[in-house]
Amino acid sequence: GAVVSQHPSRVICKSGTSVKIECRSLDFQATTMFWYRQFPKKSLMLMATSNEGSKATYEQGVEKDKFLINHASLTLSTLTVTSAHPEDSSFYICSAREGGIDTQYFGPGTRLTVL
Amino acid sequence: GIQVEQSPPDLILQEGANSTLRCNFSDSVNNLQWFHQNPWGQLINLFYIPSGTKQNGRLSATTVATERYSLLYISSSQTTDSGVYFCAVADRGSTLGRLYFGRGTQLTVWP
Repeated sequence: GAVVSQHPSRVICKSGTSVKIECRSLDFQATTMFWYRQFPKKSLMLMATSNEGSKATYEQGVEKDKFLINHASLTLSTLTVTSAHPEDSSFYICSAREGGIDTQYFGPGTRLTVL
Repeated sequence: GIQVEQSPPDLILQEGANSTLRCNFSDSVNNLQWFHQNPWGQLINLFYIPSGTKQNGRLSATTVATERYSLLYISSSQTTDSGVYFCAVADRGSTLGRLYFGRGTQLTVWP
């Protein structure tokens, strides 16, 4: 149980295009989902927290217009990187948490490369 | 936010050796999780352990909440144990469960 999937696992895009990453909780209802970014050999940096049906809460320094987050259902959250640039290249990881339960479960991550 | 410090930053072991990883945190927590990040980047849940002691096979963990630290023990290490081990905590004031991560311990196990 408690499986979180992400799609795609890898994506390469041209500078200026937008990329959408999906995060799904497969066997539980995720009232809260989190999006992280990880640079090589670094720790995870929280980008935003989203609750189903409401606007995401972004961490300081994260551009909400650049990283659009939608948590439209209890099993799906999406992160859209708009007008991507090479500096947006990174490993993006989502996690999900069921209401009333503290444990977070993480997706396998998406490696984004912007050329 | 809460500060999380992990030590050591790097650990190199021979297969079969035992090791202890430490996580110190700066405030009271209501969630503490240990993760293993494998070479493909997947974070694997090892323990949810805001207090007490748990064991799972060759791994065990202890959190002493009053003293604000947690320990992860790996016994009889294997090459497949290699990777980065992260400790993450959520503070007591957090209703959404925001996790603060340490910088991790990079473990390399040689055959």
